[in-house]
Amino acid sequence: DQQVKQNSPSLSVQEGRISILNCDYTNSMFDYFLWYKKYPAEGPTFLISISSIKDKNEDGRFTVFLNKSAKHLSLHIVPSQPGDSAVYFCAAGGSGGYNKLIFGAGTRLAVHP
Amino acid sequence: NAGVTQTPKFQVLKTGQSMTLQCAQDMNHEYMSWYRQDPGMGLRLIHYSVGAGITDQGEVPNGYNVSRSTTEDFPLRLLSAAPSQTSVYFCASRGAVSGNTIYFGEGSWLTVV
Repeated sequence: DQQVKQNSPSLSVQEGRISILNCDYTNSMFDYFLWYKKYPAEGPTFLISISSIKDKNEDGRFTVFLNKSAKHLSLHIVPSQPGDSAVYFCAAGGSGGYNKLIFGAGTRLAVHP
Repeated sequence: NAGVTQTPKFQVLKTGQSMTLQCAQDMNHEYMSWYRQDPGMGLRLIHYSVGAGITDQGEVPNGYNVSRSTTEDFPLRLLSAAPSQTSVYFCASRGAVSGNTIYFGEGSWLTVV
């Protein structure tokens, strides 16, 4: 049973518009969430994170929203750029150790001109 | 600024062969871990270590061994390779100075025939 789910395997967005990537989790013990970005043939790179005590965290064009009651988080990219085209992974960790991150299956974002 | 370095980048093994994937980090991170990435499955934790001499199992540890004799190195051993172990393997590390952010290596592509 997947504890972290990214139900959209792919998303296509026009350059300049908003990209919204979604993630759902089932374990209420998760208290830390991260988004990673991955280009082909490279390792995942950290993008942005949020603690469960917050409901929003912003870093430039990237904003992560957390809805604890719905066990849902989303990543907003505004404005989207062609260089944002990549696979985005949602990950969650809990008090058992942040090294034991549980990842979603990923969403492939394509930003086209 | 090497970060997390994995070798080899590509490897083809025959069923039943053994091999070791090497991982080294130069950031003095306490935590190191190995993940595998399979299509539609995201990243799954194989083994992790919270410090030299200490290792523990992740989600999918069967068929793999690890050891942590130094802070810098965390090799992953495949004892008797099976086609089900065909995957992309990522080593990752985290330290107190990096907070909860995990840093990944570039990946090792393993094919077992």
